[in-house]
Formats: sequence, C-alpha cells, structure tokens
Amino acid sequence: GEDVEQSLFLSVREGDSSVINCTYTDSSSTYLYWYKQEPGAGLQLLTYIFSNMDMKQDQRLTVLLNKKDKHLSLRIADTQTGDSAIYFCAERSGGFKTIFGAGTRLFVKA
Amino acid sequence: DAGVTQSPTHLIKTRGQQVTLRCSPKSGHDTVSWYQQALGQGPQFIFQYYEEEERQRGNFPDRFSGHQFPNYSSELNVNALLLGDSALYLCASSFWTGNNYGYTFGSGTRLTVV
Repeated sequence: GEDVEQSLFLSVREGDSSVINCTYTDSSSTYLYWYKQEPGAGLQLLTYIFSNMDMKQDQRLTVLLNKKDKHLSLRIADTQTGDSAIYFCAERSGGFKTIFGAGTRLFVKA
Repeated sequence: DAGVTQSPTHLIKTRGQQVTLRCSPKSGHDTVSWYQQALGQGPQFIFQYYEEEERQRGNFPDRFSGHQFPNYSSELNVNALLLGDSALYLCASSFWTGNNYGYTFGSGTRLTVV
C-alpha cells in the first residue's frame, strides 16, 4: 500500500542543523518531495528528488534518499526562527497522485 | 505572476447542505488536484483534473465531485455535508507532466460544517 510516515515533532536551537526524517512504502515512487506549511497557509514546495538520486543540495537544504530502506531526510543548516513550520514529506505514487505524510512540526528556539 | 487562487477563504455550512469551492491555477498550469486537510493531519488526495476530465480519484465518496473548465480553473462540490467534512480544502496546480516537479498550492478554503 501507499503510506508516508514522519515523526510528529522536532525542536532545535537557532543556528543548529535540523534533520527531519520520513519513510515511505511504495517502492515504485519516482519523485519525492518536501513541502513547508506555515500557520494559516497552503503548502510551499521546498525541494524534490528523483528516485535515482541519492542526494540533492539547495542552499541550506540537503535531501538524502536511501531507496533501499525507503528513507528520505531533509537537513536544514543554520536553522532560523523563520524555519518554524510544519514540514511534509510526499511521494509521487500510484499514477498521478501525490501522497503526503502527517507532517513534522519544527520548533526553533531562539 | 499570480499563484493559485482559491475562493472563498472561509465558509460555514450546515449539515446536509451543499458547497462549491473554486480554484484558479497558476498561470501556465493545466492540471488541478484537490486535497482535504483535517486539523493536525497531512493533505488527503481527493481527485485530479486534466483536460476537463477526472484523471484519478482518491478514497472519497461520490458526494465529492468536481469540474474543470476550458480555462483550467476548477470547482470542488460536496453534497450532503457531514460534520466530518470540516477541513481545509487545498487546490494544487501543476503542469501536465503529472506533478513530477511538484505542486503549487493555494492558501485553501476553510470549511466548517455545523
């Protein structure tokens, strides 16, 4: 079946690195995504990775993909208070739909 | 360049009523997907429209229906509203490649059923 799982909460200090983890079940997933949602807003695409890649870096963001273990992570370097939000892992699965996890709430302490 | 526009932003309806939510996709996008996001949860896929046809559907009852117009805008209709339909309804647009490069989301319509 299709399922995406994430830990619910993460708390870090400003300036530290944050690592948000995700596991997915569909081995045929072709694209995996990280989205950010701030209070009262829709989701914002942060980055995506194709399934034949192991890593992708985009400024402060680093995505690591372990396809064998179906594990995806998002590392945010030098985390700022403005990074406090809910982060969703998602996979392109089963045709055209994208499946989202329940989200990880990141708290950044000043 | 306008992103995805949804209307209305908030809506309160009574059980048993019907509701229509509207979405205008980002310029250049031709595919619209609708998601339901209950409080504290991730978005759940309702359906996707492309070329005015429902291309794929999630596990939602037939009370949920939609439409896409020639200008790519879309409507989500929900009949016989239940209390459990209270949620944030998100519209996401993408290009025809089937969202390979991710969605652009609107800010959502907050539906409250009383």
